Amino acid sequence: DGGITQSPKYLFRKEGQNVTLSCEQNLNHDAMYWYRQDPGQGLRLIYYSQIVNDFQKGDIAEGYSVSREKKESFPLTVTSAQKNPTAFYLCASSIGFRTGSAFFGQGTRLTVV
Amino acid sequence: AQTVTQSQPEMSVQEAETVTLSCTYDTSESDYYLFWYKQPPSRQMILVIRQEAYKQQNATENRFSVNFQKAAKSFSLKISDSQLGDAAMYFCAYRSANTGNQFYFGTGTSLTVIP
Repeated sequence: DGGITQSPKYLFRKEGQNVTLSCEQNLNHDAMYWYRQDPGQGLRLIYYSQIVNDFQKGDIAEGYSVSREKKESFPLTVTSAQKNPTAFYLCASSIGFRTGSAFFGQGTRLTVV
Repeated sequence: AQTVTQSQPEMSVQEAETVTLSCTYDTSESDYYLFWYKQPPSRQMILVIRQEAYKQQNATENRFSVNFQKAAKSFSLKISDSQLGDAAMYFCAYRSANTGNQFYFGTGTSLTVIP
């Protein structure tokens, strides 16, 4: 079945630690996105990628980094510079940049302990 | 940045009844897409329905339909014959057909279905 897989579902991070959230899609979509979801705030864009080896900052990129070495994969690293990382993270993809609906993974719940 | 507003944080509906969720958006563009997404307790975002701005006809998907008023920049979702499984957060979203670099989401409406 085609879809987007995020892992892990739950992740705990210690203060000062970097963690990486995985996002893999087999939909052959060009565009991929990372969103952060906090209660009462909807979804906010962290990073997006239109094509392999290219990515752009979204509205809240500070403290995060990404890579896009393969079309299928768009991992997100939450660095120690992100002061309030506890949130729900959603990865999405769309068939193209400017076209198509967004399809989402199951999400990763990150908690700082 | 485009703004998407959902002015109803919570709504409730009796099972088998009809409910309408409201959404307004702010844009100066003429070519764009609008979406409604459902987020059940599992938290996975599921596409409910999509509308292209150039289409005058309102989109429908089974029990789900929209009322798209382009001049008023309004995009409401109507759920007919509500079912218990419709209980979820519903998000309205906007995407430019020109820049298209992101989807802009509203803050969501929590729908409760009363048996």
